[in-house]
Amino acid sequence: QVQLQQWGAGLLKPSETLSLTCTVYGGSFSGYYWSWIRQPPGKGLEWIGEINHSGSTSYNPSLKSRVTITLDTSKNQFSLKLSSVTAADTAVYYCARRSVVVTAPGKYNYYMDVWGKGTTVTVSS
Amino acid sequence: DIQMTQSPSSLSASVGDRVIITCRASQSISRDLNWYQQKPGKAPKVLIYAASTLQSGVPSRFSGSGSGTDFTLTISSLQPEDFATYYCQQSYSSPRTFGQGTKVEIK
Repeated sequence: QVQLQQWGAGLLKPSETLSLTCTVYGGSFSGYYWSWIRQPPGKGLEWIGEINHSGSTSYNPSLKSRVTITLDTSKNQFSLKLSSVTAADTAVYYCARRSVVVTAPGKYNYYMDVWGKGTTVTVSS
Repeated sequence: DIQMTQSPSSLSASVGDRVIITCRASQSISRDLNWYQQKPGKAPKVLIYAASTLQSGVPSRFSGSGSGTDFTLTISSLQPEDFATYYCQQSYSSPRTFGQGTKVEIK
């Protein structure tokens, strides 16, 4: 059974860089996209971006200038960096696996079926 | 970006009730709509993908329907473990946006 274990610094000062890593255990790393999602306190979910096993990335335009997602296939890990953080970046950050299902010829649906437990990141001076 | 709007934002219901949550997309997303359940302090869990396909292991009291811009999540008989927040999410285009959530509380 696939499990995602995530870790990283939980307390940052404004202008610092957030850095989180997620390790994939018990399953294939290739053939999937690997995602980051965040949730500010008491609020909803925001998709940050994703990367596939080949290193192809897609980012939320609202964060694109500050986000970098990378992977290390030798360690079955993918990582998130978010630069120049502010209090607005305070949130629980989740890593997740994005799976795909064929819904019709040439049509696909993507959904996040395995999630990490989340890492609370607080930005405060 | 495609905006996803859920209604209601919250509801109170009793065990055994039938519960319906709706999700509307700001443009057509075909059937590229997923539903997640989130309990306090836990990561979201996928319930339904591609609008109506039940994820393995999810009880059959959960069902999804819809296409285009309007979708529904139905819980046929609410159980104590179903009290949670539910999110819809479109996977039609990037960025993959979520609805604001519907909190299901005990009446």
